[in-house]
Order: sequence, then structure tokens, then C-alpha cells
Amino acid sequence: GQQVMQIPQYQHVQEGEDFTTYCNSSTTLSNIQWYKQRPGGHPVFLIQLVKSGEVKKQKRLTFQFGEAKKNSSLHITATQTTDVGTYFCGRSSGGSNYKLTFGKGTLLTVNP
Amino acid sequence: DTEVTQTPKHLVMGMTNKKSLKCEQHMGHRAMYWYKQKAKKPPELMFVYSYEKLSINESVPSRFSPECPNSSLLNLHLHALQPEDSALYLCASSLGTAETQYFGPGTRLLVL
Repeated sequence: GQQVMQIPQYQHVQEGEDFTTYCNSSTTLSNIQWYKQRPGGHPVFLIQLVKSGEVKKQKRLTFQFGEAKKNSSLHITATQTTDVGTYFCGRSSGGSNYKLTFGKGTLLTVNP
Repeated sequence: DTEVTQTPKHLVMGMTNKKSLKCEQHMGHRAMYWYKQKAKKPPELMFVYSYEKLSINESVPSRFSPECPNSSLLNLHLHALQPEDSALYLCASSLGTAETQYFGPGTRLLVL
């Protein structure tokens, strides 16, 4: 499947600071999914965005899908040490050969 | 039961060994997946099973052989692996192939 570009690769913040990771695609996405993987853990589904311009919130996390459905962002307000991990976006290809392709991920570390 | 289980958690094998990884889910999901994840990289899709039939093989070497005995079980048989096959092997399942994927904790494989 086609790649989604995810930036930054790493982000180190002080606890309480905000954090944002971005995913960009050269082609229109049918949807975008976000996963979190704690160190030593496995990917855990966070959310799926489907509609153009969609914004969804989960407590301190805000997810956005661009108007053109070519980019997405995950913003964390006032980070906590529990937010540490790698955040992956994933694009799905449709049809009978459906599959999920992940971006390279953003590793977030938080200094208490 | 709302989780995907994988056994073993860790596996060390020699290049001449034959071993199997096991994945199980009891959520009634009809799609199951094998992913390979190297350190600091995103998960990479290996195989997709839909309704117990192999629907996607991402050009995986034949030393990896998947098997889906029934709708709850997914195995990955390993034979004559190479040291570069050392990785975290993740199983996932979803209600259908276009639905949210739920990952198991993974098997950390070391090939000596």
C-alpha cells in the first residue's frame, strides 16, 4: 500500500507541554486510523477518522482529518508521563484486498 | 472476552528449528492478521485471513507458513529462519477486513 508520511520521528517534551504529530499523504485517504504503542507493548487503537474536516476529541487528545483528506494530526494537550509511547497513523486500502499500512510513527518521551 | 492472546510471549530458536506461534480471539472476528515489527519501526503486514481463507500474502518467504484452523485461531509456523527474522510478531483481528484491528501482545522472537 502507499505510504503515509509521519512527522516528527521523535518528540521530547516537558510534562505539561503540548504535543502534535502529523500524517501526510500524496493521495486522498478513505480514512485514517491512529494507534498508540507503549514501550514494550503492542499497538492499541485510538480512533478512526472518515469525514473531510472531521475533528474528534478523547479527553486531552484531539484528532483532525484535513479538508482534502490528505492529512491528519493528533494533538495532546498538557502531556503526562502516561502519554509516553509511539503514535502511529495508518491508512487503509479498500476493496477485496483491504490492508492497513502504518506511518513510521512518532516516539513521544515526556520529562517529569 | 475482548482480547487477542498470543503464545509464547518470547521464543528463542536456532536456524534449523521448527516452531509455531499461536494467536487466539473469541470476539467473533472473521479477519485475522500477522504483522512483523522490527525495533523502532512500524508493524508490517505479513498475512491476512478472511473467513479462514488466506486473502493477502505480502510476498512473505516460505519459511513462514500461516494456518487458520478455525475462526478463533491463527498459527504461524516457522522453519529454517534467519537471524534477520528476529522481531516482534503481532497478531491482530477485526470484525471484518475493513473494521478496526485489535492487536495481541505479540511474540518476541530471537533467531540465533
